[in-house]
Amino acid sequence: DAGVTQSPTHLIKTRGQQVTLRCSPKSGHDTVSWYQQALGQGPQFIFQYYEEEERQRGNFPDRFSGHQFPNYSSELNVNALLLGDSALYLCASSPTPGQMNTEAFFGQGTRLTVV
Amino acid sequence: GDSVTQMEGPVTLSEEAFLTINCTYTATGYPSLFWYVQYPGEGLQLLLKATKADDKGSNKGFEATYRKETTSFHLEKGSVQVSDSAVYFCALSDPGGSYIPTFGRGTSLIVHP
Repeated sequence: DAGVTQSPTHLIKTRGQQVTLRCSPKSGHDTVSWYQQALGQGPQFIFQYYEEEERQRGNFPDRFSGHQFPNYSSELNVNALLLGDSALYLCASSPTPGQMNTEAFFGQGTRLTVV
Repeated sequence: GDSVTQMEGPVTLSEEAFLTINCTYTATGYPSLFWYVQYPGEGLQLLLKATKADDKGSNKGFEATYRKETTSFHLEKGSVQVSDSAVYFCALSDPGGSYIPTFGRGTSLIVHP
């Protein structure tokens, strides 16, 4: 089992540009969540996708958008990049919502640097 | 809303010392509680979890007990190793299965030989 895989591992972008990050969930999981982890902070929830729809969203602006594909993989898009968007972006996969007493599995993350 | 408070780091210990990292939470209902570990340059790994009051989660010599009366989930290890150096995150989530943990800010552990 490959677990949760994210690409790319590192990325450098310029202010104002757009970026797309990718995530493949763990085998058997159909739900993907995205988190932003700023340096020295805990991960902050961005949004969750299930059945190709955004199901829940954290306190992030509309510049952050996503997509889920029929194979359950997901993309995170960030438009009009700001310096403050520099962070580690983590993807987490989990089973169908509603199953009790299980947990999310995290990928290694994509380190985004905005210059 | 739900929140998690962890002791500030870094926590610096010598090898074989006893470790405690404090974690308290605020939540409605009865959340599931987790400890995640993040090694340098890596993502998060689930270390242990507990899903109801008085449950003890344990893994790799680490343990934590779900204390509802004190809303706490302190992480302990009897004898730390240099390889335990990492950042530890306490987290909670809705037991109804939304899988969206709320994380604390993390506590950095540094273990010296």
